[in-house]
Amino acid sequence: DAGVTQSPTHLIKTRGQQVTLRCSPISGHKSVSWYQQVLGQGPQFIFQYYEKEERGRGNFPDRFSARQFPNYSSELNVNALLLGDSALYLCASSTFGAPSTNEKLFFGSGTQLSVL
Amino acid sequence: SQELEQSPQSLIVQEGKNLTINCTSSKTLYGLYWYKQKYGEGLIFLMMLQKGGEEKSHEKITAKLDEKKQQSSLHITASQPSHAGIYLCGADGLLNDYKLSFGAGTTVTVRA
Repeated sequence: DAGVTQSPTHLIKTRGQQVTLRCSPISGHKSVSWYQQVLGQGPQFIFQYYEKEERGRGNFPDRFSARQFPNYSSELNVNALLLGDSALYLCASSTFGAPSTNEKLFFGSGTQLSVL
Repeated sequence: SQELEQSPQSLIVQEGKNLTINCTSSKTLYGLYWYKQKYGEGLIFLMMLQKGGEEKSHEKITAKLDEKKQQSSLHITASQPSHAGIYLCGADGLLNDYKLSFGAGTTVTVRA
């Protein structure tokens, strides 16, 4: 069975540009979460979607947006890129994503975004 | 600032030796997760602990959650080169929501 897949694996953009990252969850998983991991730090929560609805949002500016499609895949969009947006962007999927269910997240390999 | 504190930040261990990583929270943990990450790659799930005093083992890796559910340790016995990587602890319930908060990670290097 395929795990969580993310595309592209690497991306180079310049300041001010826009970027779209894509994620396909494990088959049967209805929840997708996005995390940003800056070098040397742990992943920081950006968004969670469940059944195409936003269920949570981290402390990120409005330049970050996301959506989930009927097939449960998801896109993360970042507008007006800044140098500080350079990071590994991780997608994770889970079955339900309900509060405090102690449900483990399965992570993809990430998209490495470099902003020049 | 990080909700979870990991220590040490990094460590170098001789192959065959044991090592321990600690993860401390200022709040009660509802669920504590340990993940392993190779540099620049995704996170691989290792173990999940839920109950105070719980201990789980997989191969040569053992994780414990203390009775007060505010501290966890990850112990590797007889380390091997395959144990090298970044170990991250994550917890839910710290941000009043169902997303995970992560520590900054512990980088483990195994020397032959």
